[in-house]
Amino acid sequence: DIQMTQSPSSLSASVGDRVTITCQASQDISNYLNWYQQKPGKAPKLLIYDASNLETGVPSRFSGSGSGTDFTFTISSLQPEDIATYYCQQYDNLSMLTFGGGTKVEIK
Amino acid sequence: EVQLVESGGGLVQPGGSLRLSCAASGFTFSSYSMNWVRQAPGKGLEWVSYISSSSSTIYYADSVKGRFTISRDNAKNSLYLQMNSLRAEDTAVYYCARANSIADGLIQHWGQGTLVTVSS
Repeated sequence: DIQMTQSPSSLSASVGDRVTITCQASQDISNYLNWYQQKPGKAPKLLIYDASNLETGVPSRFSGSGSGTDFTFTISSLQPEDIATYYCQQYDNLSMLTFGGGTKVEIK
Repeated sequence: EVQLVESGGGLVQPGGSLRLSCAASGFTFSSYSMNWVRQAPGKGLEWVSYISSSSSTIYYADSVKGRFTISRDNAKNSLYLQMNSLRAEDTAVYYCARANSIADGLIQHWGQGTLVTVSS
């Protein structure tokens, strides 16, 4: 199985801050990496697909980068509505999709 | 607009069975692969099962293999998850999730989820 290690597990930042989350795969997954946002009590929402592509309708302050085993998700200027838990997910191995452990983002 | 509506969740005793359903609308259901993903209370996301558009390819997480069965009825625009031999650790919100048209592992749309509680 491909393990996805996401860090940090939680962070607190001020409105306007730049926020960065990392995700490391246990083996090379090329760019088969997605990022999801989940607000409390809601279903996850796709933000970034194939490591760096912004899903339609998602604000441009969200971005992703990386390939192989190391990936980064960035919020360029944190907004109050960005309070959520963020997950990475690999789909290099379709027979066993795996998610990172999640990063809970809070406002300081 | 893509809509995925899960149903069938509830309270069940350990060892019991439950069948989840997902009603799809707003897209050509028969053209898309589908997944079930679950989330235990206060925990992260866990992929459960995948089924291709024609049901020709099916995958399960090791944690549910041999106990859960995924199926679909393209004529009824519906996805199912038959869950047998349920355990306390199967307690979770279960999400029906649609893949991208090109990339089967790219989960693009999610339902709102249905809660399954396994407890005596």
